[in-house]
Amino acid sequence: SQTIHQWPATLVQPVGSPLSLECTVEGTSNPNLYWYRQAAGRGLQLLFYSVGIGQISSEVPQNLSASRPQDRQFILSSKKLLLSDSGFYLCAWSTPGTDGNEQFFGPGTRLTVL
Amino acid sequence: LAKTTQPISMDSYEGQEVNITCSHNNIATNDYITWYQQFPSQGPRFIIQGYKTKVTNEVASLFIPADRKSSTLSLPRVSLSDTAVYYCLVGDGPYSSASKIIFGSGTRLSIRP
Repeated sequence: SQTIHQWPATLVQPVGSPLSLECTVEGTSNPNLYWYRQAAGRGLQLLFYSVGIGQISSEVPQNLSASRPQDRQFILSSKKLLLSDSGFYLCAWSTPGTDGNEQFFGPGTRLTVL
Repeated sequence: LAKTTQPISMDSYEGQEVNITCSHNNIATNDYITWYQQFPSQGPRFIIQGYKTKVTNEVASLFIPADRKSSTLSLPRVSLSDTAVYYCLVGDGPYSSASKIIFGSGTRLSIRP
């Protein structure tokens, strides 16, 4: 069966510090991968998605970046965090070549920037 | 990408049937309609998906009229554990290499005893 892992679960970082969040998927090959951010009490905002190694599409201009160094690894990074980067970060995967919008989400990382 | 509109919040009682309607006037021919459920501090969980007419699974039913400009998620006999945020979204999903969907603000469903 497929599983998705995210770490860390929670993170408190000062403004201006770097960020690295990691997501890995097990039990599937060549998944589509996604990073979302959810501000408190709000809906999910798609940040990045990837259809393959090294292929990253950005949805929202920001000081964040994403990388996919391996098939089932997706990393979200920032060189300098802003207060507005606080939120709940979710990684998700889906199976390419299938109809519809079924995505499977990880447990999330709650980031607080102080 | 088609935008969706759904009620901000709804209240109901245990044992009742709950229907949440979503409008998506600009839905494209290839778009599917998908509903997710999200509990606090957790990622959304896929509930049901459909393209047209009616779809039913073990947890919900999805009704889609012929023009596909709206859809209704039906939760039979809700319980307290159904209290969550429900998202309606449309998109052509993983089938397309440009796989993008948009989550709106969702409907906050509160179930009372």
